[in-house]
Amino acid sequence: GAVVSQHPSRVICKSGTSVKIECRSLDFQATTMFWYRQFPKQSLMLMATSNEGSKATYEQGVEKDKFLINHASLTLSTLTVTSAHPEDSSFYICSAFQGARAWRGRYNEQFFGPGTRLTVL
Amino acid sequence: AQSVAQPEDQVNVAEGNPLTVKCTYSVSGNPYLFWYVQYPNRGLQFLLKYITGDNLVKGSYGFEAEFNKSQTSFHLKKPSALVSDSALYFCAVRGPNTGFQKLVFGTGTRLLVSP
Repeated sequence: GAVVSQHPSRVICKSGTSVKIECRSLDFQATTMFWYRQFPKQSLMLMATSNEGSKATYEQGVEKDKFLINHASLTLSTLTVTSAHPEDSSFYICSAFQGARAWRGRYNEQFFGPGTRLTVL
Repeated sequence: AQSVAQPEDQVNVAEGNPLTVKCTYSVSGNPYLFWYVQYPNRGLQFLLKYITGDNLVKGSYGFEAEFNKSQTSFHLKKPSALVSDSALYFCAVRGPNTGFQKLVFGTGTRLLVSP
């Protein structure tokens, strides 16, 4: 239980194109999903928090128009990197938070996806 | 603002020996503390958490962590290390009143267990 998937696991694209990354909670409903990016040998940096049916909350320094987040349902959030550039190359990880109806009482936990490696040429 | 410090970039230990990965935190109020492990090109796997209760928390794969309020520490420990424990370990903290359950992560500690 409490499985989070990401698709694709790896993507290579040309500079200037847009890339969409999906994050799904497979066996639970996620009231909140988080998007992180991780540079090589560095920690996870929170990019934004998305709640189902409302606009995402972005962290300071993260461009809203660059990183579009949609949380259309309780099991799916998408991150679209628009007009990608080589500096956007990174490992993107999502996590899902279940809220009050926590799986097996595992309150206060975020369940992480396996990550998506984005390489922009 | 809440923060986490992992003072060691890397910890080396021989298989069979005990291991400790250090973590200190700063947060207003009572902290929620977590340890995660990350294998290459993978997401984070939950190891254990401290919310309240016993200061010694037992988690997955034989790991445990001790919450020390006076030292604001939450060190990860294992009595006998395995080569397969080699990975990147992250400590994370959340304040009790943090909106949307936001976690702040430490910079990570790479654990290398030699045969």
